[in-house]
Amino acid sequence: GQQLNQSPQSMFIQEGEDVSMNCTSSSIFNTWLWYKQDPGEGPVLLIALYKAGELTSNGRLTAQFGITRKDSFLNISASIPSDVGIYFCAGRNGFSRYSGGGADGLTFGKGTHLIIQP
Amino acid sequence: KAGVTQTPRYLIKTRGQQVTLSCSPISGHRSVSWYQQTPGQGLQFLFEYFSETQRNKGNFPGRFSGRQFSNSRSEMNVSTLELGDSALYLCASRRDNSYNEQFFGPGTRLTVL
Repeated sequence: GQQLNQSPQSMFIQEGEDVSMNCTSSSIFNTWLWYKQDPGEGPVLLIALYKAGELTSNGRLTAQFGITRKDSFLNISASIPSDVGIYFCAGRNGFSRYSGGGADGLTFGKGTHLIIQP
Repeated sequence: KAGVTQTPRYLIKTRGQQVTLSCSPISGHRSVSWYQQTPGQGLQFLFEYFSETQRNKGNFPGRFSGRQFSNSRSEMNVSTLELGDSALYLCASRRDNSYNEQFFGPGTRLTVL
């Protein structure tokens, strides 16, 4: 099945610092998504990207859909304590049968644990 | 509007037993997907149901099954539990034609002893 390589696995940063994480894939995706999961909760969608090269912001979060369609990055500016959590990338390629992915081929990365020191 | 609810939140079973988990989607959502989340493998798709029909399936053995009822509530069942089935099982629902905006429930934490 398809796999997404997400890095870094974890990040220890100071409050106020900027954060950057990325995902790469050996396969092309038509959609890239970024989720955040807090302890004891399910993932929440942060940003959805639909076109190669697209750059989208959501408050202090900015994400880009790579030109090759095989990668994406997420940046968080001026981190605050509530940014702590696990961030997941996910890709969708529209192939819905036995692709190892979710609805229409949604495949998740293994997550980046973000820890912020005050 | 109430979110996705899952019951129970925590469950402890022993090897060889079977388990049934329940998911109630957001009102009006007809699509329900199930995921298994483990530290080693991350989030892995199990299956998706829409209007009581399984529409999509991940790469899991036949011990994992599911169903959806006419009110869109869904259940998943795992038979002959193995230690490796210990995981957080997440359910997500979405509106028709809104492929990306899946709303996740809090999950059921299953521990197999």
